[in-house]
Amino acid sequence: NAGVTQTPKFQVLKTGQSMTLQCAQDMNHEYMSWYRQDPGMGLRLIHYSVGAGITDQGEVPNGYNVSRSTTEDFPLRLLSAAPSQTSVYFCASSYLGLAEQETQYFGPGTRLLVL
Amino acid sequence: LAKTTQPISMDSYEGQEVNITCSHNNIATNDYITWYQQFPSQGPRFIIQGYKTKVTNEVASLFIPADRKSSTLSLPRVSLSDTAVYYCLVGDNGNKLVFGAGTILRVKS
Repeated sequence: NAGVTQTPKFQVLKTGQSMTLQCAQDMNHEYMSWYRQDPGMGLRLIHYSVGAGITDQGEVPNGYNVSRSTTEDFPLRLLSAAPSQTSVYFCASSYLGLAEQETQYFGPGTRLLVL
Repeated sequence: LAKTTQPISMDSYEGQEVNITCSHNNIATNDYITWYQQFPSQGPRFIIQGYKTKVTNEVASLFIPADRKSSTLSLPRVSLSDTAVYYCLVGDNGNKLVFGAGTILRVKS
C-alpha cells in the first residue's frame, strides 16, 4: 500500500490564484481530513469527510472547499489564495471509529507559499 | 473536546528515559488519550493510545492515573532519532483530532 499520498509537494501561488491540493489513500478508509500547520504550531483541522459524498467543516474552513466523490480521493481547493494561507497542508485518513479514536495516517504534506 | 497542556520543550541525552506529561483536566468519560510524533517536514505518526492504567508497545509506554486528568508518555533510552515534536490528544470517537502546540523533544549526544 502507498498509504496517503499528496501532490504537489511544493507550490508557489500568487495572491488571487486558485489551485487544488490532491490527496489519495489506498487503505479503504472512510474518514479523511485536511489540516494546516503554520510554523511552530500544531495542526488545525480545515475540513473532513466521513465518507463519499459527505463533508463537513473543521476549525479553519474559510477560503477552502472540499468534495469527496470517491472513497480514495479528497481534494482541497483554494478558491482565491491569500498570503495568510501560506502553510504546510497535511491530509490524513483513518477508519471511522465508533468507540475509540482510530489511528490516523498522515500524508507527507504539501508546502504552499502564497506571494 | 478536552483541552490538553504539555510542556513546550524538553531536553534529554541519548540513553536516558524521557517522560512527557500531558494535563487534560476536562477529559470526558468516553475520551481516549492518544500520542503522535512528528519529525520535521513529515506528517504526524501515531505512537500510542490508552484509556486507563498503563499501555505499552514497542515504542513507548503510556501511564494514565485513576482520575485520568493527566497522562505520561514514557520513551525508554532515547536516541538522537527521537528528536521530534510529541502531541497529546484527547477525544472520543471523533476522528477530528485537535492538536495543540506539542512538546519539542531535543535529544543530545
